[in-house]
Amino acid sequence: GAGVSQSPRYKVAKRGQDVALRCDPISGHVSLFWYQQALGQGPEFLTYFQNEAQLDKSGLPSDRFFAERPEGSVSTLKIQRTQQEDSAVYLCASSLREGLEYEQYFGPGTRLTVT
Amino acid sequence: LAKTTQPISMDSYEGQEVNITCSHNNIATNDYITWYQQFPSQGPRFIIQGYKTKVTNEVASLFIPADRKSSTLSLPRVSLSDTAVYYCLVGDRGAGNMLTFGGGTRLMVKP
Repeated sequence: GAGVSQSPRYKVAKRGQDVALRCDPISGHVSLFWYQQALGQGPEFLTYFQNEAQLDKSGLPSDRFFAERPEGSVSTLKIQRTQQEDSAVYLCASSLREGLEYEQYFGPGTRLTVT
Repeated sequence: LAKTTQPISMDSYEGQEVNITCSHNNIATNDYITWYQQFPSQGPRFIIQGYKTKVTNEVASLFIPADRKSSTLSLPRVSLSDTAVYYCLVGDRGAGNMLTFGGGTRLMVKP
């Protein structure tokens, strides 16, 4: 079946621009996660949804970052007034249910470059 | 959350068995050990999860000693396509859902 998809795969933004990154999780997956991965580092948690509810946003680095999942399926991560330190790969993952025993399936990521 | 320590990089040759050890001295009673694999330009992929002793699946084996302060991921007969970064994660199944990744181990398989 289809896995997690993300779009765009690559995004170049000028500093100060707003960007929107999309995630299509596996159909029927309740949980959805966003992670940020800097070059050469492991992914770092940003935020978590259970259906349409954003239950944890403790990893969002600033109030310029905003995520939503209005209908409990597709999610969008928005970054306002992008800065160079926002350059990273943004990964989306989904899992069938809440709980670490449920495997998280990752998308290929969106590579954001802020110039 | 228990901190994990694993080698930054490892080299191996095709056909060899590779063992990657992860230290997690502060592992809690309810913590499980999970390993993920990440290829370049892809998201991480679940490999295996265990609590104690030994777990085996079609991809790998996970060895966990009685004190659970370390674990070893064993990849039998690696091929060039096993070149990837391998992450060891420790966490309580019931305490939230986010995965906490460390720096991982970069495995390079040579012909």
